[in-house]
Amino acid sequence: EAQVTQNPRYLITVTGKKLTVTCSQNMNHEYMSWYRQDPGLGLRQIYYSMNVEVTDKGDVPEGYKVSRKEKRNFPLILESPSPNQTSLYFCASSSRQETQYFGPGTRLLVL
Amino acid sequence: LAKTTQPISMDSYEGQEVNITCSHNNIATNDYITWYQQFPSQGPRFIIQGYKTKVTNEVASLFIPADRKSSTLSLPRVSLSDTAVYYCLVGDRGTGGFKTIFGAGTRLFVKA
Repeated sequence: EAQVTQNPRYLITVTGKKLTVTCSQNMNHEYMSWYRQDPGLGLRQIYYSMNVEVTDKGDVPEGYKVSRKEKRNFPLILESPSPNQTSLYFCASSSRQETQYFGPGTRLLVL
Repeated sequence: LAKTTQPISMDSYEGQEVNITCSHNNIATNDYITWYQQFPSQGPRFIIQGYKTKVTNEVASLFIPADRKSSTLSLPRVSLSDTAVYYCLVGDRGTGGFKTIFGAGTRLFVKA
């Protein structure tokens, strides 16, 4: 089954404690993205990647890092999380000819 | 990136046809128009995509006039389960590998 998986689905952490949210897709898609969604603000793109080792900033990249060492994986790294990064995070993937498939979301609470 | 403008919210009743219009005055020649549906706490789900004229699939139709500066998503005979947020995006066909702007979307509420 074609899918995008994210882990963990729920995470409570404390300010400053580094964390990684993993994203994996099984569709051999070149393109992957990370979004955050906050009430009243819709979906905002954090980072995107057009292929392995090719990443670029979206609208809200501050406080986040990504890496794309393999085609199927696109982890989101928060080196020093802060409370304003409390949000619902979505990973998505697509190919040149297809629209985006989204993961189930990761709900993060930073205390 | 082409900016899109949609109504913030719409109400409808079960069984009615719902039309949601999106304005995208700065659409580029190579841009496609894509609509997504999102339920609370779930990732957006692709509904339909088009480049020009009319596209229809099993869940919706997409009408695009000749100037492509707007588009209308048509949902025939909505049900309570169509209550969701609908997003209009303009950009490259795949979009996921490029800078993408979702906007606030249109919150559709279907009443019994």
